[in-house]
Amino acid sequence: EAQVTQNPRYLITVTGKKLTVTCSQNMNHEYMSWYRQDPGLGLRQIYYSMNVEVTDKGDVPEGYKVSRKEKRNFPLILESPSPNQTSLYFCASSFRWTSGELHTDTQYFGPGTRLTVL
Amino acid sequence: GENVEQHPSTLSVQEGDSAVIKCTYSDSASNYFPWYKQELGKGPQLIIDIRSNVGEKKDQRIAVTLNKTAKHFSLHITETQPEDSAVYFCAASWNSGYALNFGKGTSLLVTP
Repeated sequence: EAQVTQNPRYLITVTGKKLTVTCSQNMNHEYMSWYRQDPGLGLRQIYYSMNVEVTDKGDVPEGYKVSRKEKRNFPLILESPSPNQTSLYFCASSFRWTSGELHTDTQYFGPGTRLTVL
Repeated sequence: GENVEQHPSTLSVQEGDSAVIKCTYSDSASNYFPWYKQELGKGPQLIIDIRSNVGEKKDQRIAVTLNKTAKHFSLHITETQPEDSAVYFCAASWNSGYALNFGKGTSLLVTP
């Protein structure tokens, strides 16, 4: 089954304790992205990656790191989590194709990771 | 950067009625406009999208219209059913989908 998986689905941690949220897709997609969802603010992009070893900042990258060493995986790293990073996090992926200009296909979202930082 | 406004924030309709959700965008360079449906406890799922070279697109009970001059696009759901109840997000992108700028969402409730 084609899917994007995230782990863990739920996490409660304390301020300053490093954590990693994993994201994996089995669709051979080049493009992957991380979003956070907060009440009243909708979905905001944290980081994205156009391919292996290519990452770039989204709208709200402060306090986050990512890596893309393999095509299927795109972990989100919080080196020193703070309470304002309490949120619902989504990973997404899509194909990337060109026809004169770059396009992406449908973005497939994972099920989400609910993070609470105390 | 791109700013996407979505209205209304909540919408309640009777089963069988139509529902319309409207979005406006600020960046005239935006060329891709997807709509996502998010059910409780799940990630957003694409339901329909439209590119800037098309004015309208329809898929069974859902349709999207785009007015590039006015910089707004709308989602239309006809013959609504209780399973249409969810949060709907519009989005706009200037680079064909790489960086999606989302609206704040519309919570749709369809009552039997």
